Amino acid sequence: ETGVTQTPRHLVMGMTNKKSLKCEQHLGHNAMYWYKQSAKKPLELMFVYSLEERVENNSVPSRFSPECPNSSHLFLHLHTLQPEDSALYLCASSQDSRLAGGNQETQYFGPGTRLLVL
Amino acid sequence: GQNIDQPTEMTATEGAIVQINCTYQTSGFNGLFWYQQHAGEAPTFLSYNVLDGLEEKGRFSSFLSRSKGYSYLLLKELQMKDSASYLCAVRDIENKLSFGAGTTVTVRA
Repeated sequence: ETGVTQTPRHLVMGMTNKKSLKCEQHLGHNAMYWYKQSAKKPLELMFVYSLEERVENNSVPSRFSPECPNSSHLFLHLHTLQPEDSALYLCASSQDSRLAGGNQETQYFGPGTRLLVL
Repeated sequence: GQNIDQPTEMTATEGAIVQINCTYQTSGFNGLFWYQQHAGEAPTFLSYNVLDGLEEKGRFSSFLSRSKGYSYLLLKELQMKDSASYLCAVRDIENKLSFGAGTTVTVRA
């Protein structure tokens, strides 16, 4: 029932490869997020885009490069990753109502991409 | 910043009740969310509390006490399909959402 899709669902890559993760939301939201989820650890916020502008970058290494071409699509470009980058990468979207005096509303998540770096 | 604590694991019997506690410390509270995440799947939104008190949604209820920095998620009439990880998340006044590490609930027959 999720309105957020992610591809691929699983990815194995070597440390010298370049790959991209794709996220698409069908909920009409104007904010999108990338999170990293490692086993037994809290979700770590990586990037936030609101109205297609990057509003947050949580000290993420430059080997992760986000791209948000429009409010429905979000990419995460990967290059020269390390084995410790192996994790579940989750995309989420929400409605950012702050310009109207509200809040960032509830975030809805995609199923994630399970990444293994060898 | 945020500091969010919840138990790592809980086990309960089908048909029983389980209460998952979440304590938090935040520089500015602006809402608390509970999500359910089955293995290999997306976290799905369960509940939202911003005022003190109990919010009930069918078999699931969530409680908040802002003065104590405390919330719980109550799961009633447990079913096998309720076996999952339950994530507590706190939003601050800058609208940043921070998550706990999750509580894995195992429901046994």
